[in-house]
Amino acid sequence: SQQGEEDPQALSIQEGENATMNCSYKTSINNLQWYRQNSGRGLVHLILIRSNEREKHSGRLRVTLDTSKKSSSLLITASRAADTASYFCATDGPMDSSYKLIFGSGTRLLVRP
Amino acid sequence: DGGITQSPKYLFRKEGQNVTLSCEQNLNHDAMYWYRQDPGQGLRLIYYSQIVNDFQKGDIAEGYSVSREKKESFPLTVTSAQKNPTAFYLCASSMWGQNHEQYFGPGTRLTVT
Repeated sequence: SQQGEEDPQALSIQEGENATMNCSYKTSINNLQWYRQNSGRGLVHLILIRSNEREKHSGRLRVTLDTSKKSSSLLITASRAADTASYFCATDGPMDSSYKLIFGSGTRLLVRP
Repeated sequence: DGGITQSPKYLFRKEGQNVTLSCEQNLNHDAMYWYRQDPGQGLRLIYYSQIVNDFQKGDIAEGYSVSREKKESFPLTVTSAQKNPTAFYLCASSMWGQNHEQYFGPGTRLTVT
């Protein structure tokens, strides 16, 4: 069952520009997490935002969460070529006591030098 | 040097053969997970384990089997019953409970011909 859906599926920007990716989900959540995956590698955790939080920052990353719209956004400011990767949102739900994460299909970001 | 390892990185098998993928972690995490990723797609949960000697089916368990005899190890066997086994397999671990990130291994790319 797919919970999170990212938008856009692919994004191409110039180095130095900001990149915004969106995630929508269907049911109530405990938290929403963002992960990054370089091509052919494992995922790396970026940031976790809890359902009672609205915004979080980590370095050049800013995540917002709107539980009324069941959506989240990830903003990468001043992008670098090294930010080229796929970005996934993942959620776990309060109705699911197993604490499993459900991943979206991802946004592929290309940062052109 | 704490982390989660998977071996081998690439694996080739003939159709009809069972194959076992290794996953080891030294993070002292209770929970471990196996995901499958197809090209350009998100992650789908195969099996997960909350504790030693216990595991649960995920969304796509058919044709796969696991064991959890030690806290550090969670091997995945892809059986000949799996109709389309060629994929990228990712193992992850985490602390059990709400609001915990998952740590991923580097993945194993399995090709079955």
